[in-house]
Amino acid sequence: KQEVTQIPAALSVPEGENLVLNCSFTDSAIYNLQWFRQDPGKGLTSLLLIQSSQREQTSGRLNASLDKSSGRSTLYIAASQPGDSATYLCAVGDNYGQNFVFGPGTRLSVLP
Amino acid sequence: ETGVTQTPRHLVMGMTNKKSLKCEQHLGHNAMYWYKQSAKKPLELMFVYNFKEQTENNSVPSRFSPECPNSSHLFLHLHTLQPEDSALYLCASSQGTSGGWETQYFGPGTRLLVL
Repeated sequence: KQEVTQIPAALSVPEGENLVLNCSFTDSAIYNLQWFRQDPGKGLTSLLLIQSSQREQTSGRLNASLDKSSGRSTLYIAASQPGDSATYLCAVGDNYGQNFVFGPGTRLSVLP
Repeated sequence: ETGVTQTPRHLVMGMTNKKSLKCEQHLGHNAMYWYKQSAKKPLELMFVYNFKEQTENNSVPSRFSPECPNSSHLFLHLHTLQPEDSALYLCASSQGTSGGWETQYFGPGTRLLVL
């Protein structure tokens, strides 16, 4: 059974810092991996989608990498801003259906 | 706005009540999903529908009953719920039949409290 973990559970940084969020999964037989952000009381917003054959994806200040063989992904946020404060979730999609397994999330606070 | 709407946004119900959650997507997608987000637990996939057909049921108790009358609408019928069913229920949609292979768009969720 696929299990997804995220480290750290919470992170607080001053504005302007570069930071890395980590995601690990136990079964490397994934089709893709997605990073989402969730603002308090709201739904999820997709940030980046990496297919299993890809190594990384970039969007603006965000860069996500995937090392499928080691079961790890990182989300790099450059020059963090207070508006980046949210919970960041990673989710892996398996090969055998449409079963998405989510990690518990990392709660990020960027202080002005 | 993501193009996925959910109603109601908040719901309080007793254990003997029957209620329904509604989800509507305006994106022309063919797959729709129900997720449950409980406090201190990761987001859990409940049901998946492709072209109105249920293709995934993650061992969800029968007191949750989904319905997908067309590709744009998804319902979750609730009856005889338990207090531990209190959670944020999220709906999502995606382009085609391969939900794991493309981006999902989420609604804002329905915050459910079972007394």
